[in-house]
Amino acid sequence: GQNIDQPTEMTATEGAIVQINCTYQTSGFNGLFWYQQHAGEAPTFLSYNVLDGLEEKGRFSSFLSRSKGYSYLLLKELQMKDSASYLCAVKGGSGAGSYQLTFGKGTKLSVIP
Amino acid sequence: ETGVTQTPRHLVMGMTNKKSLKCEQHLGHNAMYWYKQSAKKPLELMFVYNFKEQTENNSVPSRFSPECPNSSHLFLHLHTLQPEDSALYLCASSQERTGGRYEQYFGPGTRLTVT
Repeated sequence: GQNIDQPTEMTATEGAIVQINCTYQTSGFNGLFWYQQHAGEAPTFLSYNVLDGLEEKGRFSSFLSRSKGYSYLLLKELQMKDSASYLCAVKGGSGAGSYQLTFGKGTKLSVIP
Repeated sequence: ETGVTQTPRHLVMGMTNKKSLKCEQHLGHNAMYWYKQSAKKPLELMFVYNFKEQTENNSVPSRFSPECPNSSHLFLHLHTLQPEDSALYLCASSQERTGGRYEQYFGPGTRLTVT
């Protein structure tokens, strides 16, 4: 089976750093994605990890530990526009399912002044 | 048009109506997906088409019927829906090959309300 856990909600202050954690238990693993979704809009791709370690892209970084089934998304220098839901998704399985994504419920981040 | 487009953006229908959702991708991708997004639940994969062939149907009720006439277009035909089917329906596409990142690109969604 597939199980992905992430906190439901988080609040952080403008200019600060926030870390959103994701743990997963899946039957296969072909990479982990983070998506950002503003209210009423489509999810947009943020980052991808398939090997252990940290991937940095501007203010956003994502970390993966495959042995621990764990990832986090790090947002630095928070801005008000970063208020959104952040979705963790695992690409897994085998055969026809190897390219399908299983999503967590998402973490709603509120950035306050 | 660029990316993934969906029409209509909003739809209100009665339980006895028949309607269709349309998705079009302008990215040259070979795989397309329908997802359902309900409040406080994760995105639920409904159907997957790869090279126009349906490769996945995640136990979706028969009142939802997908159609993929070519690699750029995807439809979701709806009939005799229930109020609990009210949700945001998202279409996505990706370019799938062995290995690699190949993230999914999402359309803006159709907000469906069943009355």
